[in-house]
Amino acid sequence: DSGVTQTPKHLITATGQRVTLRCSPRSGDLSVYWYQQSLDQGLQFLIQYYNGEERAKGNILERFSAQQFPDLHSELNLSSLELGDSALYFCASSRRPGQGADEQYFGPGTRLTVT
Amino acid sequence: LAKTTQPISMDSYEGQEVNITCSHNNIATNDYITWYQQFPSQGPRFIIQGYKTKVTNEVASLFIPADRKSSTLSLPRVSLSDTAVYYCLVGGNFNKFYFGSGTKLNVKP
Repeated sequence: DSGVTQTPKHLITATGQRVTLRCSPRSGDLSVYWYQQSLDQGLQFLIQYYNGEERAKGNILERFSAQQFPDLHSELNLSSLELGDSALYFCASSRRPGQGADEQYFGPGTRLTVT
Repeated sequence: LAKTTQPISMDSYEGQEVNITCSHNNIATNDYITWYQQFPSQGPRFIIQGYKTKVTNEVASLFIPADRKSSTLSLPRVSLSDTAVYYCLVGGNFNKFYFGSGTKLNVKP
């Protein structure tokens, strides 16, 4: 158990809908990262937040958005869902990014299925 | 763009040493190299991290040449439980992160 929690574990929804994935980092970790894992694209970095602020952006679609709240939990919002958005979405957290690289601890993931 | 490439799969036998190499030709100056292990339906698990030269911990060693364009994860004396997918990750210091495509290691008895 990494200490990172993600909810829900599974999500099934229809095309065109909007969903919110939630992540709680390990106690004391200030940074949260979101990744998408699909069979054809592998593990893709989406976005990083540090202490509430966006700090790095990867291959995140405009239909997707994220935020980190004052209590440090984070949410990833996916809208206008398409079949191709079906994937495993991982959240990771780390303690002090920016001072070298930090070890990221990954949550168990949320499996999103778009039908 | 720090594109990372790894071999798709490798086979080994119990008790052998396994070396998995990742190429990252366009690594940025302040990027770090991290290796993760992933089992089916689980999140990646940290193995080891380095910036240059050699790093060793209780489970693995990481070799990074001076030009940092590649890195090699070394797993000593693998066991059946080491059968998993191994990923290199390049990034850090608020740069973007890039995962390799993963190397599926199959350890045979």
